[in-house]
Amino acid sequence: AQSVTQLGSHVSVSEGALVLLRCNYSSSVPPYLFWYVQYPNQGLQLLLKYTSAATLVKGINGFEAEFKKSETSFHLTKPSAHMSDAAEYFCAVSDQSTDKLIFGTGTRLQVFP
Amino acid sequence: DAGITQSPRHKVTETGTPVTLRCHQTENHRYMYWYRQDPGHGLRLIHYSYGVKDTDKGEVSDGYSVSRSKTEDFLLTLESATSSQTSVYFCAISPGTGTRTEAFFGQGTRLTVV
Repeated sequence: AQSVTQLGSHVSVSEGALVLLRCNYSSSVPPYLFWYVQYPNQGLQLLLKYTSAATLVKGINGFEAEFKKSETSFHLTKPSAHMSDAAEYFCAVSDQSTDKLIFGTGTRLQVFP
Repeated sequence: DAGITQSPRHKVTETGTPVTLRCHQTENHRYMYWYRQDPGHGLRLIHYSYGVKDTDKGEVSDGYSVSRSKTEDFLLTLESATSSQTSVYFCAISPGTGTRTEAFFGQGTRLTVV
């Protein structure tokens, strides 16, 4: 079964600093990978998705992620953090054999002024 | 915003009682999912549906059942609620899987079992 692992349950950065949230996947076939964001007391919304068309994927709010097969990684980055980026971020994989959408345990991003 | 409505939004219930949560969509999407969110565990899949009357178990399905008699409605039932089922429950919908995965989430239902 496919799965994702998010390294670091909490990440803190200063406003204007680089944001790097880590996600590694486990899959025996080319995976379909996603990043979602959850703001307090809200549901999740899609930031970006990888579906094998391009290894560097750009999403909303200035976020992007790079698919690296050799490292089985799909890390999320943003060059310059903004206070409004403070939220919880989830990596997810679509399991092609079962139609399940499986999420990681999440990373809470704090942004300090 | 995708048309997904979860009801109720908040519920407090007693241990041992049955509880049903409803997810209603207006998007005519094929796939519907129920997740629970708990600190340190992220979102864990309870059950999902890939069509009317077609459902399958997720990773934490014990104590839960689901039904989907219409495309637009996906019901989650806690057969006999326990304190361990206190959680926030999210419904999600998607038009497809793989490259067509585009999951949209409801606002969540906060369930407290006392």
